[in-house]
Amino acid sequence: KQEVTQIPAALSVPEGENLVLNCSFTDSAIYNLQWFRQDPGKGLTSLLLIQSSQREQTSGRLNASLDKSSGRSTLYIAASQPGDSATYLCAVRLTGNQFYFGTGTSLTVIP
Amino acid sequence: DAGVIQSPRHEVTEMGQEVTLRCKPISGHDYLFWYRQTMMRGLELLIYFNNNVPIDDSGMPEDRFSAKMPNASFSTLKIQPSEPRDSAVYFCASSHNRVGYGYTFGSGTRLTVV
Repeated sequence: KQEVTQIPAALSVPEGENLVLNCSFTDSAIYNLQWFRQDPGKGLTSLLLIQSSQREQTSGRLNASLDKSSGRSTLYIAASQPGDSATYLCAVRLTGNQFYFGTGTSLTVIP
Repeated sequence: DAGVIQSPRHEVTEMGQEVTLRCKPISGHDYLFWYRQTMMRGLELLIYFNNNVPIDDSGMPEDRFSAKMPNASFSTLKIQPSEPRDSAVYFCASSHNRVGYGYTFGSGTRLTVV
């Protein structure tokens, strides 16, 4: 069974700082990996989707990388803002169409 | 497309009552997933459908939970009878079978059983 781990569980940074969130998975036979953002009391919003053949994807201040061989993905947030405060989850999709979620990293950006 | 639509947004019910949650997936998506989220356990996959057929219901907690997908545009998750420990946010998500697709989530239904 695929296990997805996100470290750290919580992170607090001052505004303007660049930061990296980590996601690791045990089964490298993935189709894709998706990063989500969840605001308190809200649903999940898709941020970036990386295919298994890709190394990274970028959207604005966000950059996600994927290293299948080591079972790792990172989400890089540049010049963090208080509005970035949320929980960030990664999910991996296996070849069997199963999705597995990490437990998330709760990010607080301090003004 | 309006995205994945769930109803109701909030549901408060008394223990023992039947609860029905509804989901309309994105048109053209052939996978539909029901998740439950709690502080203690995070996101848990309850069941998923492919082309309206249940594929894996191993995450359904017990017989009190049932899910149906009578057609490609509608699914229900039913709890009967409900218990306080069922209180959680229930999410529906849909996806396309194509490799390049990821999930799209609904806004969730916050269920409180008192």
